[in-house]
Amino acid sequence: AQKVTQAQTEISVVEKEDVTLDCVYETRDTTYYLFWYKQPPSGELVFLIRRNSFDEQNEISGRYSWNFQKSTSSFNFTITASQVVDSAVYFCALSRGQNFVFGPGTRLSVLP
Amino acid sequence: GAGVSQTPSNKVTEKGKYVELRCDPISGHTALYWYRQSLGQGPEFLIYFQGTGAADDSGLPNDRFFAVRPEGSVSTLKIQRTERGDSAVYLCASSLFGQGPYNEQFFGPGTRLTVL
Repeated sequence: AQKVTQAQTEISVVEKEDVTLDCVYETRDTTYYLFWYKQPPSGELVFLIRRNSFDEQNEISGRYSWNFQKSTSSFNFTITASQVVDSAVYFCALSRGQNFVFGPGTRLSVLP
Repeated sequence: GAGVSQTPSNKVTEKGKYVELRCDPISGHTALYWYRQSLGQGPEFLIYFQGTGAADDSGLPNDRFFAVRPEGSVSTLKIQRTERGDSAVYLCASSLFGQGPYNEQFFGPGTRLTVL
């Protein structure tokens, strides 16, 4: 069975602070994909990143970075110098082929 | 349009009624997905189409739920004899292919269903 855990239900930070959102997954598959999506107050899920199970290289995109560690089954997401516009619910997801399993989400509030 | 569209954006119905929710995927995307998102939770998979056929309907909660995609593009999610527990946001997503390196899903804005 596949499962995604996001232990942090809610996080509040002050603008310009760095924040890391945790994601731990469970799967028996050797080939799988991991994703992060952002759901702002408007409600529409926005794709942020996809990582396949064979690529453990960390990735940086502007203020966003992702740390994939297969040994601990984690795919954590860090926002550097957070901004108020980063306030949203962030979902980590796991897929093998077409079947997506989403975590429960972490609500991030960035205060001015 | 460039993105996934869903209609209606809001639907209020009475218990026992029948509802249809529509999804227009991104043009050229062969894979289409329906999810249900309850308040405070992540999206829950319902059904996946590859072309016209339902490749995986294991997430449909019971036989009151049915979905079609007759021409491999627009899809309709149908709920019969609605119950209050069906109240949720129903999300549609599409991807270029269902599997492989281009399987990131692009989501529509959702339809908020309220069953009174």
